[in-house]
Amino acid sequence: DQQVKQNSPSLSVQEGRISILNCDYTNSMFDYFLWYKKYPAEGPTFLISISSIKDKNEDGRFTVFLNKSAKHLSLHIVPSQPGDSAVYFCAASARSNYQLIWGAGTKLIIKP
Amino acid sequence: GAGVSQSPSNKVTEKGKDVELRCDPISGHTALYWYRQRLGQGLEFLIYFQGNSAPDKSGLPSDRFSAERTGESVSTLTIQRTQQEDSAVYLCASRLGAEYQPQHFGDGTRLSIL
Repeated sequence: DQQVKQNSPSLSVQEGRISILNCDYTNSMFDYFLWYKKYPAEGPTFLISISSIKDKNEDGRFTVFLNKSAKHLSLHIVPSQPGDSAVYFCAASARSNYQLIWGAGTKLIIKP
Repeated sequence: GAGVSQSPSNKVTEKGKDVELRCDPISGHTALYWYRQRLGQGLEFLIYFQGNSAPDKSGLPSDRFSAERTGESVSTLTIQRTQQEDSAVYLCASRLGAEYQPQHFGDGTRLSIL
């Protein structure tokens, strides 16, 4: 049973436009959500997180939105840059559990 | 550097041999995790250490896998009698012990079993 789902294996976006990556979860106990970026042959790099008391968190070009009623979160990247091309992972955890549950990842390709 | 350091970066070995992978966490990070990522798949949790508490070994796939950590420092992941299905990237992550803190990853060890 996949508790964290990223339904789009890949996404292609024009440079300068907005990239929107989506993530759905099933466990209502999750209260902390994170996005990571991964380049080939490197470990995942932490991008941005949000706790369930918020519905939005912004850091530069990256914004994460959380819709608790829909059990859905999204990562917006504006404007998209060529260096943003990578695999993006969504992860979630519950306060009572130290483990992160990971989505399968979405490969983002930024076209020049 | 100040990040999580893993060694070796690549390891090729023959089936049946034992391998030992090393992780140096970020200084001050009390929590340490090991993950495995097979080709084309997501991250698979293996084991978790938090300070001096007993580790959570619930993700270890078989008794051929073991890990140790001394205090809040270096951790080693040992795979005995390696099998071809053990071929994967093994990732280590550490984080501060407080709630709502992200995990920070090393670049992994790419293990290939011939």
